Amino acid sequence: DTEVTQTPKHLVMGMTNKKSLKCEQHMGHRAMYWYKQKAKKPPELMFVYSYEKLSINESVPSRFSPECPNSSLLNLHLHALQPEDSALYLCASSPRSGGDYNEQFFGPGTRLTVL
Amino acid sequence: QKEVEQNSGPLSVPEGAIASLNCTYSDRGSQSFFWYRQYSGKSPELIMFIYSNGDKEDGRFTAQLNKASQYVSLLIRDSQPSDSATYLCAVNLSGAGSYQLTFGKGTKLSVIP
Repeated sequence: DTEVTQTPKHLVMGMTNKKSLKCEQHMGHRAMYWYKQKAKKPPELMFVYSYEKLSINESVPSRFSPECPNSSLLNLHLHALQPEDSALYLCASSPRSGGDYNEQFFGPGTRLTVL
Repeated sequence: QKEVEQNSGPLSVPEGAIASLNCTYSDRGSQSFFWYRQYSGKSPELIMFIYSNGDKEDGRFTAQLNKASQYVSLLIRDSQPSDSATYLCAVNLSGAGSYQLTFGKGTKLSVIP
């Protein structure tokens, strides 16, 4: 079962709100990822967790705060976002922690709108 | 700057024809290559991956890799209107950046009934 789930599907928030995005996989994958995708652009990597530890932070503003409570769950906490942060937020997972021959599977995404 | 290049399209093919999607990459050390299909408003779906030179077939899809020419392609045989989507080529960077997939900008495919 190559399934990554994400909740919520849609989220509308004001610039002063605090919200969280959730991601879950039960494939025993060792790496999990957050991507951001704007319309008509490819996904942009934000964070990588490897064995539940943050491995990569692609210079993402601190208003985005990732968390990996266990090997199956990944959260993205949002605070004081800007309208330009409106995008599709994608979670992905891969079997191994980095390296080649390591397919990434995406969840359905959360469509975020910041007012 | 390690890059992945795709023709943005749109590529229009008639139903039943072969659609050919092309991708070139600049990182000569790359070993892993992926094709994702993305319908409008949806997330990318992994449809093919290829790691060795040559062809890899899965149903109507064939991925082709030529590492010497730094070129990877996706052929879709007997194209159907349901194949209309944006196809993203992704390459796993070699070395320290090997977590990261570098995506092309995608080719939009339209299959005309």
